[in-house]
Amino acid sequence: KNEVEQSPQNLTAQEGEFITINCSYSVGISALHWLQQHPGGGIVSLFMLSSGKKKHGRLIATINIQEKHSSLHITASHPRDSAVYICAVGRYISQGNLIFGKGTKLSVKP
Amino acid sequence: DAGVIQSPRHEVTEMGQEVTLRCKPISGHNSLFWYRQTMMRGLELLIYFNNNVPIDDSGMPEDRFSAKMPNASFSTLKIQPSEPRDSAVYFCASSSWSNGYEQYFGPGTRLTVT
Repeated sequence: KNEVEQSPQNLTAQEGEFITINCSYSVGISALHWLQQHPGGGIVSLFMLSSGKKKHGRLIATINIQEKHSSLHITASHPRDSAVYICAVGRYISQGNLIFGKGTKLSVKP
Repeated sequence: DAGVIQSPRHEVTEMGQEVTLRCKPISGHNSLFWYRQTMMRGLELLIYFNNNVPIDDSGMPEDRFSAKMPNASFSTLKIQPSEPRDSAVYFCASSSWSNGYEQYFGPGTRLTVT
């Protein structure tokens, strides 16, 4: 069993829909990262969080440490949100050893 | 800042050849990471450095892989000899305590070994 599980693996949405991507992990962590990888291949860090909730524009990330679960929400989705979203967990605050999920491929149709 | 710089962006080589990938981290960042991404295995940490010192290289596949960080602004990942199964995208990332250890990724090097 992978230490970091994401669901769904693939997601197709219509423009404007509210989107949720889930991440569950089985190890103790100091922080959880949400990354975005566009079709061109570049990887961008969206959030790093260790508790509660963070918001940036239309993106919201939440984490429940007790349940070992995090969600990434996208409100009012847009075709430019189409990308692979990757969840990764870091065991130590110095963030050396990141363990990655397999990613969720999101496609937003106009 | 220019961000994390990697070179080359694409590399095609024949099996058995030596390959050297290069990375320049963001100035002031004290942690540097090398990752590999394949369709089968996704993203994997190969090695990371803190203040130019290798901290964890347990992700390095085998002795054919080696990484160095001679100074705070430069790191190399070398594969010798290369094999077709090394074909992947190799990412370098850097971070700093001053930005909460958020990782900034380079554009990646797409390696194809024929």
